[in-house]
Amino acid sequence: EAQVTQNPRYLITVTGKKLTVTCSQNMNHEYMSWYRQDPGLGLRQIYYSMNVEVTDKGDVPEGYKVSRKEKRNFPLILESPSPNQTSLYFCASSPTRLRAAETQYFGPGTRLLVL
Amino acid sequence: GENVEQHPSTLSVQEGDSAVIKCTYSDSASNYFPWYKQELGKGPQLIIDIRSNVGEKKDQRIAVTLNKTAKHFSLHITETQPEDSAVYFCAASGGFQKLVFGTGTRLLVSP
Repeated sequence: EAQVTQNPRYLITVTGKKLTVTCSQNMNHEYMSWYRQDPGLGLRQIYYSMNVEVTDKGDVPEGYKVSRKEKRNFPLILESPSPNQTSLYFCASSPTRLRAAETQYFGPGTRLLVL
Repeated sequence: GENVEQHPSTLSVQEGDSAVIKCTYSDSASNYFPWYKQELGKGPQLIIDIRSNVGEKKDQRIAVTLNKTAKHFSLHITETQPEDSAVYFCAASGGFQKLVFGTGTRLLVSP
């Protein structure tokens, strides 16, 4: 089944404890992206990647890191989480980087609570 | 940069009624306008989209209209059913790669 998977789905952590949220797609998509969803703010892009080893900042990149060493994986890293990073996170992928805004496939989401 | 406003934030209708969600965008260069449906516990899923060279697009009970002059686009759902209950997001894109999302509308369809 073609899909985007994220792990973990739910995570409670404490301020300053490094964490990684994994994202994997099995559709051989070029483009991958991370969003955070907050009440009243919709989805905002954190980072995106147009191909292996190519990543760039989205609208809200502060406090996050990403890497794209393999085409299928795009982990989101929070080196020192803070309470304002409590949010619902979505990974998305798209077949081609040239028209990445179209036909984005979203993962099921990771709900993060930072105490 | 692009800014997308979405209204209303919540919408309650009776089954069988129509529902309309409206969005406005700021960047006249935007040329692609998708709508996503997010069911509880799931990620957003594309349900319909429209490009700037088209004024209206229909797919069964859902339709999207675009007014480029006014920079408005709307989602219309007719004959609503309980399974239409979800959060709906509009978005706009002008550069093929970046999507800017609206703030979402929670639609509740009561039987």
